[in-house]
Amino acid sequence: AQTVTQSQPEMSVQEAETVTLSCTYDTSESDYYLFWYKQPPSRQMILVIRQEAYKQQNATENRFSVNFQKAAKSFSLKISDSQLGDAAMYFCAWKNSGYALNFGKGTSLLVTP
Amino acid sequence: EPEVTQTPSHQVTQMGQEVILRCVPISNHLYFYWYRQILGQKVEFLVSFYNNEISEKSEIFDDQFSVERPDGSNFTLKIRSTKLEDSAMYFCASSEWGAKNIQYFGAGTRLSVL
Repeated sequence: AQTVTQSQPEMSVQEAETVTLSCTYDTSESDYYLFWYKQPPSRQMILVIRQEAYKQQNATENRFSVNFQKAAKSFSLKISDSQLGDAAMYFCAWKNSGYALNFGKGTSLLVTP
Repeated sequence: EPEVTQTPSHQVTQMGQEVILRCVPISNHLYFYWYRQILGQKVEFLVSFYNNEISEKSEIFDDQFSVERPDGSNFTLKIRSTKLEDSAMYFCASSEWGAKNIQYFGAGTRLSVL
């Protein structure tokens, strides 16, 4: 079974600083997708960023970027210039060519002024 | 921006009762999904649905569960005889083209089974 591990249950960052959330996964497949979803207190899960495993270039989306290390099966999320609105639960997820997203347990990010 | 909507936001039911959770996917999406999150645990995939058929389901999705698209806009999850362990947050999601496309999630329905 594919597993996604987020080893940091909670993280804290000061406004305007940078924070990195960790994610590792376990798979024997070569073709898959990785995602970071954000779940603010409103509960709606919002896609932050997506990475296709066959692409070597790390995905970026404004202040959000990933460090994708395929050999190490690592997919960390970097948030630059953190804002109060970034406070949320962040979920890392893995998916192959099927339909099911496999999620990690999440990291709760606190942003302090 | 289009979004997936779920109703109700909180559903309380008695053990053994049937419950239907409702979702309105994004209008041009063709693939629909249900996930659940038991308190303190990770989000788990239940089922995916396309063209009025289940395309994939997990071991959790047993005979107690069913899904339906009763009309052109709604997508429902029915639990026939609820158990205490069905208490969870249930998320609906939809995507435009299926396996390779991004899944957009609703805000969830919290189901409490007493």
